[in-house]
Amino acid sequence: DGGITQSPKYLFRKEGQNVTLSCEQNLNHDAMYWYRQDPGQGLRLIYYSQIVNDFQKGDIAEGYSVSREKKESFPLTVTSAQKNPTAFYLCASSMGRNQETQYFGPGTRLLVL
Amino acid sequence: GQSLEQPSEVTAVEGAIVQINCTYQTSGFYGLSWYQQHDGGAPTFLSYNALDGLEETGRFSSFLSRSDSYGYLLLQELQMKDSASYFCAGANRDDKIIFGKGTRLHILP
Repeated sequence: DGGITQSPKYLFRKEGQNVTLSCEQNLNHDAMYWYRQDPGQGLRLIYYSQIVNDFQKGDIAEGYSVSREKKESFPLTVTSAQKNPTAFYLCASSMGRNQETQYFGPGTRLLVL
Repeated sequence: GQSLEQPSEVTAVEGAIVQINCTYQTSGFYGLSWYQQHDGGAPTFLSYNALDGLEETGRFSSFLSRSDSYGYLLLQELQMKDSASYFCAGANRDDKIIFGKGTRLHILP
């Protein structure tokens, strides 16, 4: 079955620690995205990538970093510079530049200890 | 700035019809998408309007008027499983997609 997987489902971060969220897709989609969702809020774009080895900042990129070394993978690192990282993180992908139709992974919930 | 506005909550009765509106303030949006998200779950794509007018997919329909910067999602024959949050989203010429804050749909039996 094709789809997007994210791991882990829950992640706990200690103060000053960097953590990496995994996102893998086997849909052969070109574009991938990372969103942050806070309770009762919409989705805010962190980073996106339309091709391998290239990515662009979204609206709230500060304190986050990404890489796109393979078409299937788009990991997100939440660095210690992100002072309020507790949120639900969603990864998505889309075919080509068709951003209007995005397929989402199940999400990772990040909590700070 | 660019933004999409939706009502925060809507309540309707099972079996009825409900309309969720979305207005946007931006230049260069070239279409409107709708997504459904159940509590604790991931958003799932419902529909996309590239052109003005009504698109129908089963019990769900979506409408867009680019001249009015307005769209809506219409849900018919409401079922309890339709209780969820619904997001409109627009992509602009800079290739960035922006989501509204979502409308939480409550369905009463």
